[in-house]
This record gives sequence, C-alpha cells and structure tokens, in this order.
Amino acid sequence: QKEVEQNSGPLSVPEGAIASLNCTYSDRVSQSFFWYRQYSGKSPELIMSIYSNGDKEDGRFTAQLNKASQYVSLLIRDSQPSDSATYLCAVNSNTGNQFYFGTGTSLTVIP
Amino acid sequence: KAGVTQTPRYLIKTRGQQVTLSCSPISGHRSVSWYQQTPGQGLQFLFEYFSETQRNKGNFPGRFSGRQFSNSRSEMNVSTLELGDSALYLCASSLEGTSGGQETQYFGPGTRLLVL
Repeated sequence: QKEVEQNSGPLSVPEGAIASLNCTYSDRVSQSFFWYRQYSGKSPELIMSIYSNGDKEDGRFTAQLNKASQYVSLLIRDSQPSDSATYLCAVNSNTGNQFYFGTGTSLTVIP
Repeated sequence: KAGVTQTPRYLIKTRGQQVTLSCSPISGHRSVSWYQQTPGQGLQFLFEYFSETQRNKGNFPGRFSGRQFSNSRSEMNVSTLELGDSALYLCASSLEGTSGGQETQYFGPGTRLLVL
C-alpha cells in the first residue's frame, strides 16, 4: 500500500506570513511529486510539480523535495487570504500512471 | 484549449439505482483517471484508461466500472448504488500517463453524486 501522509490541519497563518505544508510518502522509488490546491466545492488545481531533490520556486510558492527522507514540502510566502484552501500532495507511482494523494492540509490565512 | 469537462455536474439518485458519469479530457490527452472524493477518505483512485483499455484499477468493488471510447472520452458507471457512494467524482486527464512520469493530471469540475 503506497501512502502519502499530510497533516490535516487546520493550519492558520496571518496574512503576509509564510505557510509551510508538509508531506511524506512511503514508496521510496517514487519520482514525481505534485502539489494541488483545492478550494471548497471546487476541483483540485495544480500549483507545483517537482522531480529532483532540492528547491523549486514559482512566484510565492516553493516546493522542496528530499527523496532520501521521502519528504516533500510546499512553502507559501507572503500568504494571502485567497490562499485559504486545502492543499493536496500527490505522488505518481512508478507502477502505472496512478497518483496517490494525501488527505490534504486545510490552510486558513487570517487577514 | 478547453479543459476537462464532466457531465452531469450534480446528480441525485436513490439506493439500488445505477448511474453513468461522463468525462471529456483535454484535447490530445489519451489517459483518463477517475477518483472518488469524500470528506473522510480524501481522493481515492478508481481506475485509469488509456487507448480504450483499463490500465490501472484501484481498490473498489466491481459495482464501479468504466470505459473509454476511441475519442478518449470516458464514462464510469456505478450499479446498485449505496448511501456510501455519495461523493464528488473527479475525472483527470493527462497526455500519455507514463508510470512515475512528469505529466500533470488536470482535473475536471467533478460530478457531485448524492444517494438517498
């Protein structure tokens, strides 16, 4: 059973702060990792993908990957109330095009 | 380019009935995956289709089935509906859907099914 674990939260941060979201995965050979954002009542939308160890930055978002520790994180700088959503971590299995999702972390940015 | 579309958006059924949901992937995408999302279980993988063949299957009972047509459009069917089948059903498409690959899955808006 391949597992993706996330803290369910809720995580609350003040506006302008850094939000840190964490994810661990059990399948050591996983190669591709994705962060999706899901607003209440909506479908998930891709924020970031990361495939190599290290950091990947895109605007206010930074994804960090450590394959040795089987850990991937998402940092949101200068958090805005519009960032309030559930963030889903996903891993693409090496045994078929099957994405495994964590249960998501609920983030609230307080104005 | 148009996104993933799903129909219907909302559906109310009663126990014992069956339901068919439809998904049209992004143009050019050949892999279609289906997920069930519930508050308690999160996103659960149902199955994936590629070139009209089911390539991967999640851990769901046989009441859940699907198919894919030559134009990559996909349908999923749930027979003998149970109360626990109430959920948001999401379809996602990707180009080829390679194992461990770097392709992103793009989600449709979902079909919200309520079973009474």
